[in-house]
Formats: sequence, C-alpha cells, structure tokens
Amino acid sequence: GEDVEQSLFLSVREGDSSVINCTYTDSSSTYLYWYKQEPGAGLQLLTYIFSNMDMKQDQRLTVLLNKKDKHLSLRIADTQTGDSAIYFCAERDNNNDMRFGAGTRLTVKP
Amino acid sequence: NAGVTQTPKFRVLKTGQSMTLLCAQDMNHEYMYWYRQDPGMGLRLIHYSVGEGTTAKGEVPDGYNVSRLKKQNFLLGLESAAPSQTSVYFCASSYGGMNTEAFFGQGTRLTVV
Repeated sequence: GEDVEQSLFLSVREGDSSVINCTYTDSSSTYLYWYKQEPGAGLQLLTYIFSNMDMKQDQRLTVLLNKKDKHLSLRIADTQTGDSAIYFCAERDNNNDMRFGAGTRLTVKP
Repeated sequence: NAGVTQTPKFRVLKTGQSMTLLCAQDMNHEYMYWYRQDPGMGLRLIHYSVGEGTTAKGEVPDGYNVSRLKKQNFLLGLESAAPSQTSVYFCASSYGGMNTEAFFGQGTRLTVV
C-alpha cells in the first residue's frame, strides 16, 4: 500500500532552524499536511499545501514540496523550546483517504 | 466551542472486556474518524463516517465497531478487548473532505491487560 515516512527524532539548539523531512509514495496525493502533537494533547494542524504548489510560508514555518521526488519538508525558523513536540506529516489522496507518517519527535535544547 | 471531545481520557481493561469510546464534536462537521496511534507508527484509520447514519471501514477495522446515530457523536466499540488493542485512540472531525482541516480530540489512552 501507499506509505508516508519520516525520521523519528530531530534535536536542535534553541534559535537554530529545524528541518523535518517526509517522503510519500502516493502519486495521487492532493493535499499534504503538517500536524503538531504536544504531550498529552491531540494533533493540531500547523499548515497544509496543495499538491500543485511547491512552497508555502507562514510566519516561522516554511513548507517545501518536491512532487517529482515525493518529498515534503517543514522548516521552523528560530526554533524555540515551545516547538518541542512530535510533528506528523500526512497526505490525502483523491479518494479522500489520509495517511500519516510515524511522527518526528523534535527536541529543542536551550 | 469545545471542538472535539473524547471520553474517557484513560482506561484499563481486562482481556475480553468490552467498552465504548465516545467522541463528540460541536462544529456541525459531516466527517468523523477514529484513529489509533502506536509507537513508531503513524496514525492508522480504524473507521470513519461521512455523515449521520453512515460508517465505513478504514485501514485497521478488525475488532472494532462504530456507530453514528447522531451527527455530533461517533462511538467506537470494542466488544472483546485484546492486548493488541492497547493504544492511544484519536477521534477527529472535519467539515468535508479534500482540503478541509481535521480537528482532533486529545486522545484516549487504552491499556488492555
């Protein structure tokens, strides 16, 4: 079946940029998403990008999509300790099915 | 607005017991979903509903049943719990499909011993 993959851990220093990467296999993906999960909480949608876009910027967040390589990334500028969380990549196909990656645990060190 | 509310937040069951997880949303959303989250794996869709009175199987439906008798509620039932169903369960809802945002509940941590 179709798959979404992410590395499980990322550690950065406060003030640095974080880049979380995701790859997917479904060529019919229409929308791609980044969700944030803080401890003990549900998932919160951070941002999403339509598959015909290659970049989307929202304040400290930059999403890059390489549709040819099926690669999605989330860049967080000036990472803060409050950004420590698990970040999930997800994709939605044209049947409206969503698939999530396993999540990347971002640790921000002071 | 409460958004998406799941009850209970925690539960420990013995193997073979049954229970129902309740998901309630106050956003008048048509779509509702139940996912399970296991360590090292992405969220996997158990069942979903595209409207009141409708349900459909997701990726991992075995051992679970659901009902959507009212638009605002989506119930997930375990008839005979097994240790393999130890997981964190998330409910979500969305207004429609495609680009609409899905709102998630805070999760229910279920342990089956």
